[in-house]
This record gives sequence, structure tokens and C-alpha cells, in this order.
Amino acid sequence: DGGITQSPKYLFRKEGQNVTLSCEQNLNHDAMYWYRQDPGQGLRLIYYSQIVNDFQKGDIAEGYSVSREKKESFPLTVTSAQKNPTAFYLCASSILRLGANVLTFGAGSRLTVL
Amino acid sequence: ILNVEQSPQSLHVQEGDSTNFTCSFPSSNFYALHWYRWETAKSPEALFVMTLNGDEKKKGRISATLNTKEGYSYLYIKGSQPEDSATYLCAVNNDMRFGAGTRLTVKP
Repeated sequence: DGGITQSPKYLFRKEGQNVTLSCEQNLNHDAMYWYRQDPGQGLRLIYYSQIVNDFQKGDIAEGYSVSREKKESFPLTVTSAQKNPTAFYLCASSILRLGANVLTFGAGSRLTVL
Repeated sequence: ILNVEQSPQSLHVQEGDSTNFTCSFPSSNFYALHWYRWETAKSPEALFVMTLNGDEKKKGRISATLNTKEGYSYLYIKGSQPEDSATYLCAVNNDMRFGAGTRLTVKP
């Protein structure tokens, strides 16, 4: 079955540690996205990539980094510079066509900083 | 970057009530609006993609309209059911930035 897989589902981190969240898709989608959700809030865009080896900052990129070495993979690193990293993180992918780029979402990763 | 606003932030209705909520966006440089439903403990799922002014889409008891000239879309739910309880999100154009969402709770 085609889909998008995020791992781990739950992650605990000590302050000062970097952590990497995995996102893999086998839908042959060109574009991939990372979002963050905080309690009571909507989805905020962290980074997105429309092509391999290229990515753009979203609205809250500070303290995060990404890579897009393969079309299927778009890992997100939450660095120690991110001041409030405890949140729910969603990865998504889509085709790249104006008006038709419907997002397919992963199941999410919940990061808790201890 | 287009600022997408959704209202109300939350909504509580009784089972059987019909309801609607709004997504507003700047009308310049528009080419597509997306509605998603996000149920608790699940991933967001696409409801509609709309591109044309005056467009109306329907899926069961849920429908949406689009006014690109004045920059808004309405999402309607007819005869709300408890399973409609979810957060409804909209996003505009290809950069996929979402509004804050409308959290709908339908009470039995």
C-alpha cells in the first residue's frame, strides 16, 4: 500500500539534545512538508521541499533543519536551538500541480522534552 | 505568503443541527483552496480542493462554496452527527499554509 510513514511515534528528549524525526513516502510525490501542532492550535509550516536537494523555510523554521537527499525521504532534525520543541509533528507529501496538490499526511510524531 | 483566517475558532452544536464556518484569504494571487478534516487520533484528510469562483463541492452532508473575488469559502455541514466532530482546516494555494482551524464538537 502506498503511504507516508513517520517514526518514531513517540520520542522523549533531554534538553540540549538534537533529535531527528523520520518521514518516508512511497507515493512518488515530489513535494514534502513538515508541520508542527501545539495544543489548541492549528498546523504551522516548518519546512517544505518541492524537489530533491532543495527546500524552503516555512513560518517557524528557527531551531529546525531538514534534508532532501532522496525523493522518498524528508527527515526533520529538532536542534537544541529550538526553545520549545515539545509538540506534535506531522509530515505530509503531495504531487506538484497547481490546485491539485492534495496533501497525504503521516500519523505524526509526538516529541516531549524532559 | 497568504494569511488564511478561519472562524469561529470552536463550535459546539447539537446532533441534527446544521452548521457552517468560514475560511478567509486575500483575494489577490489566488488559485486554489483546500479543506481538510482532522479527527482526534487520526491524520488530516482532504475534503475538497476548489479553484473556481462560485465553485460548490459536496461530499455527503458536507458541502463547500468558494468566492474568490471577496476571498472566502464556507464549509457547511447538514444535520451534524457526533462523527463530524473534528478540526476543519483550510489552506490556500501551493505553499500549503493552514489557517488555525475550526474545532467542531457535535453533542449527541
